Amino acid sequence: EAGVVQSPRYKIIEKKQPVAFWCNPISGHNTLYWYLQNLGQGPELLIRYENEEAVDDSQLPKDRFSAERLKGVDSTLKIQPAELGDSAVYLCASSFASYNEQFFGPGTRLTVL
Amino acid sequence: DAKTTQPNSMESNEEEPVHLPCNHSTISGTDYIHWYRQLPSQGPEYVIHGLTSNVNNRMASLAIAEDRKSSTLILHRATLRDAAVYYCILRDPNQGGSEKLVFGKGTKLTVNP
Repeated sequence: EAGVVQSPRYKIIEKKQPVAFWCNPISGHNTLYWYLQNLGQGPELLIRYENEEAVDDSQLPKDRFSAERLKGVDSTLKIQPAELGDSAVYLCASSFASYNEQFFGPGTRLTVL
Repeated sequence: DAKTTQPNSMESNEEEPVHLPCNHSTISGTDYIHWYRQLPSQGPEYVIHGLTSNVNNRMASLAIAEDRKSSTLILHRATLRDAAVYYCILRDPNQGGSEKLVFGKGTKLTVNP
């Protein structure tokens, strides 16, 4: 069974440029999460989807971050414009339901110059 | 969220048992104790979880103190592949907000050959 797929694995951009990350969850998983992980820290939730609905986006900086999960499967996380402080690893996870075990992708490492 | 306290780092030798402690003195009666680990350059992965009784699976064992204020993740024979950051997380499936995983800094386990 394929795990959570994320792309790209690495991205280097200049500040003020836009960037997008893509996530394909495990088939049949209704819940999808985006986490942000700064160096030396544990991941922190940015947004959680139940099917196509964003049910917890309280930690998403909405002035520059946006996310979508059309058709309740794949998801895209976008940053526009990127800032130096956005350099981090962006992790996508999915689970069958909210309180079930979460499966994480390998993450996208973003470097903003 | 009820908090957990873990040592920043631990070292072990290959093929020896490892006991990773976690303190959670403010745990509620309905909090489950979850463990995830994060191998280098990968997303976190689920290890084990329990409520009151000790639990075993193919990856590890979880020993829970009788008063539930602490727990220990046991790797019976550490391998080099077990070198990772181990996170102890509390989740209450009956409480809103526990759908997300709240990570601390975890314990970085080094396994010496």
